[in-house]
Amino acid sequence: AQSVTQLGSHVSVSEGALVLLRCNYSSSVPPYLFWYVQYPNQGLQLLLKYTSAATLVKGINGFEAEFKKSETSFHLTKPSAHMSDAAEYFCAANTGTASKLTFGTGTRLQVTL
Amino acid sequence: EAGVAQSPRYKIIEKRQSVAFWCNPISGHATLYWYQQILGQGPKLLIQFQNNGVVDDSQLPKDRFSAERLKGVDSTLKIQPAKLEDSAVYLCASSLDLAKAMGQYFGPGTRLTVL
Repeated sequence: AQSVTQLGSHVSVSEGALVLLRCNYSSSVPPYLFWYVQYPNQGLQLLLKYTSAATLVKGINGFEAEFKKSETSFHLTKPSAHMSDAAEYFCAANTGTASKLTFGTGTRLQVTL
Repeated sequence: EAGVAQSPRYKIIEKRQSVAFWCNPISGHATLYWYQQILGQGPKLLIQFQNNGVVDDSQLPKDRFSAERLKGVDSTLKIQPAKLEDSAVYLCASSLDLAKAMGQYFGPGTRLTVL
């Protein structure tokens, strides 16, 4: 069965510091991979997606993620954190039934001054 | 372009009562999803529609949950009777089609509290 693991339920960084949110997937078939962001009391917003084209994917708000098949990883990064990046981030994968997503448990990003 | 609309945004009920949630997807999106997001967890798919047909409802507790999308546009999700463990945010999402590469677009969710 497909699963998505997000290491670290809470991550805290200083404003201007590098953001690194980790995501690993388990699947014998290379999946389509997604990162979503959820602000308080809002739905999920798509940040970026990997669909077997370029392994380095650029998304909105300065985020990017790199697909590494050898490590079964799809970590999310941003060079310089901003206070407005504070939110919950979810990694999701799709390998099976058409468009059915499996989500990780989420990582809450805190940005401090 | 208007996003996915959901109502109500918040609902508080007592256990054993019934409740219904409504979703209006993005115009032209054939695929509609209902997710349950329990506090501290990622969303879990309850049911997936393609137009007005069910594609996947394997994780829907059918003894108490039901959903319909009669005209292939709006959808309603019902819980009857509600249990304490149904307290969660219910998210509706839509996508253009079933293709795996399609991103899903989420509504703001309905926060249900069962007392």
